[in-house]
Amino acid sequence: GAVVSQHPSRVICKSGTSVKIECRSLDFQATTMFWYRQFPKQSLMLMATSNEGSKATYEQGVEKDKFLINHASLTLSTLTVTSAHPEDSSFYICSATDRGGARQPQHFGDGTRLSIL
Amino acid sequence: DQQVKQNSPSLSVQEGRISILNCDYTNSMFDYFLWYKKYPAEGPTFLISISSIKDKNEDGRFTVFLNKSAKHLSLHIVPSQPGDSAVYFCAIKTSYDKVIFGPGTSLSVIP
Repeated sequence: GAVVSQHPSRVICKSGTSVKIECRSLDFQATTMFWYRQFPKQSLMLMATSNEGSKATYEQGVEKDKFLINHASLTLSTLTVTSAHPEDSSFYICSATDRGGARQPQHFGDGTRLSIL
Repeated sequence: DQQVKQNSPSLSVQEGRISILNCDYTNSMFDYFLWYKKYPAEGPTFLISISSIKDKNEDGRFTVFLNKSAKHLSLHIVPSQPGDSAVYFCAIKTSYDKVIFGPGTSLSVIP
């Protein structure tokens, strides 16, 4: 089945550091990928939609200059958390849809645990 | 305002019995519904889906029921197994491919 790989799985870094997270679709092409964030004991909240070859679309309340998204190819999207602070500590998860369309489920990566000290 | 609601944050069921997880949604235009299972520190795993043209979809031990008039769906797991213990998210997929998740229900299956 469709597989989405996310790297790294865990990051611990100092406040002020920028952190890049990669999301790859391993056996299918994804023109659209999605980035979610999950705080402890909360649901997954959509942050942005990553579109191959064009600008990402951000959800309300998500700072586009803080969370930079690049979708340079049909199999790779990256999320960069710039100048990360402790409040950015969270579980970040990406997803992609094989062949797109409303009748296909999204497949998720295993997430990245980001801890900012 | 939450578009997808799961009013039970947790549920405990004896092994072998049926687990019923409930979900309500607000927008009658939603037409594709999904259930995901999630373990801690992992991404969600797709379980089963249903489109609005159906009222039931079955896959092994998992059955999803959809009641469009009530804007309600439920996931039945029977028989429940200890390995089913996880957080279950009800979700809808919009026409823009976005997935909106409910808050989740933590299921514990007791051996």
